[in-house]
Amino acid sequence: EPEVTQTPSHQVTQMGQEVILRCVPISNHLYFYWYRQILGQKVEFLVSFYNNEISEKSEIFDDQFSVERPDGSNFTLKIRSTKLEDSAMYFCASSTNRGSDYGYTFGSGTRLTVV
Amino acid sequence: GNSVTQMEGPVTLSEEAFLTINCTYTATGYPSLFWYVQYPGEGLQLLLKATKADDKGSNKGFEATYRKETTSFHLEKGSVQVSDSAVYFCALPSNTGNQFYFGTGTSLTVIP
Repeated sequence: EPEVTQTPSHQVTQMGQEVILRCVPISNHLYFYWYRQILGQKVEFLVSFYNNEISEKSEIFDDQFSVERPDGSNFTLKIRSTKLEDSAMYFCASSTNRGSDYGYTFGSGTRLTVV
Repeated sequence: GNSVTQMEGPVTLSEEAFLTINCTYTATGYPSLFWYVQYPGEGLQLLLKATKADDKGSNKGFEATYRKETTSFHLEKGSVQVSDSAVYFCALPSNTGNQFYFGTGTSLTVIP
């Protein structure tokens, strides 16, 4: 069964450093998303991406965050200057149609620890 | 806006017990409703969905019925197994369809 692949599985970074989280969505999917889950808390929406542009973003997704689809396969989330409160599990997801009708396929996540 | 309210956990059951996890929603219109499951150390997996009122979604012995009159989408399983131990999330899309709202998650532990 096709999978969404995320790398790395765990990243530790110092506060103030830039991190790039990588995702390879399912190849024929057109809609891409990032969510995060702070330990023990809700799954929170960050951003949705379609046709090479952001469709929607949450209040969390401030100027420190950016997304890119640099080639036909990767979808990245960049955090420019990490804060302690950015420590969370970050999930990438993709869908072939709008996820609202069919749901998404999620990756296994990247655990980001900011120290 | 759209939102879901999910039963708080954690829930601990013995194997073969009956499971109900409550979920109620608030929505404009009639969006599709979803249950996702997160096994330990893994991402979220779509468990089941229902696209319209009175629809029943089912998968792996789990069921949930889209109840418009009670705005509910409760998850049920007749006989749980140890392998069902996971966190279960109720979810629905936003009005724009560009994001999902997830419930707080209900942790289920099934003991032999």
